[in-house]
Amino acid sequence: AQSVTQPDIHITVSEGASLELRCNYSYGATPYLFWYVQSPGQGLQLLLKYFSGDTLVQGIKGFEAEFKRSQSSFNLRKPSVHWSDAAEYFCAVVLSGGYNKLIFGAGTRLAVHP
Amino acid sequence: DGGITQSPKYLFRKEGQNVTLSCEQNLNHDAMYWYRQDPGQGLRLIYYSQIVNDFQKGDIAEGYSVSREKKESFPLTVTSAQKNPTAFYLCASGTGSEQFFGPGTRLTVL
Repeated sequence: AQSVTQPDIHITVSEGASLELRCNYSYGATPYLFWYVQSPGQGLQLLLKYFSGDTLVQGIKGFEAEFKRSQSSFNLRKPSVHWSDAAEYFCAVVLSGGYNKLIFGAGTRLAVHP
Repeated sequence: DGGITQSPKYLFRKEGQNVTLSCEQNLNHDAMYWYRQDPGQGLRLIYYSQIVNDFQKGDIAEGYSVSREKKESFPLTVTSAQKNPTAFYLCASGTGSEQFFGPGTRLTVL
């Protein structure tokens, strides 16, 4: 069955440090890939997406992600974390065929130390 | 402003009661979705609708019902048959492969 794995449940970084959140998917073909961010008690905001083309994609708030087909990964990165980046981050894929069903990972909660 | 609104933000229900969560969008999207979110889990799809007057069950539809009488509206009813309804509910609408989310409704069963 298709699935999305985010291996890190919680990550804590210091403000100004670099960040990498991991995401792996299990799917036969290359799906469409997304990263969303959720602040406590809020909806999800799209950070970036990958459909095709350049495997390094830029998103909002200074985030970027790199698609690596050989590793079935789509890791999210930010060179310098700000305290306002503390939130929960979800990786998701869309399966083709019939309708656009989003499959979500379980999420990674990011804490930022001053 | 274009967007998705959900109401109420917080909802309390007694056991055995049905409750209806509202979702409205003015983005002119054909597709709309309902997700359930539990702590430590990702979002799980309850129902989706690709067009007015049509909807399909998602992965966890038992105990829920929906309607899609207007393009802008996709209300979700949590029935008394849902055994564990306490959760955060998110509505989304979409075009192509992209989905946009509302602010959510937190439902608590007393």
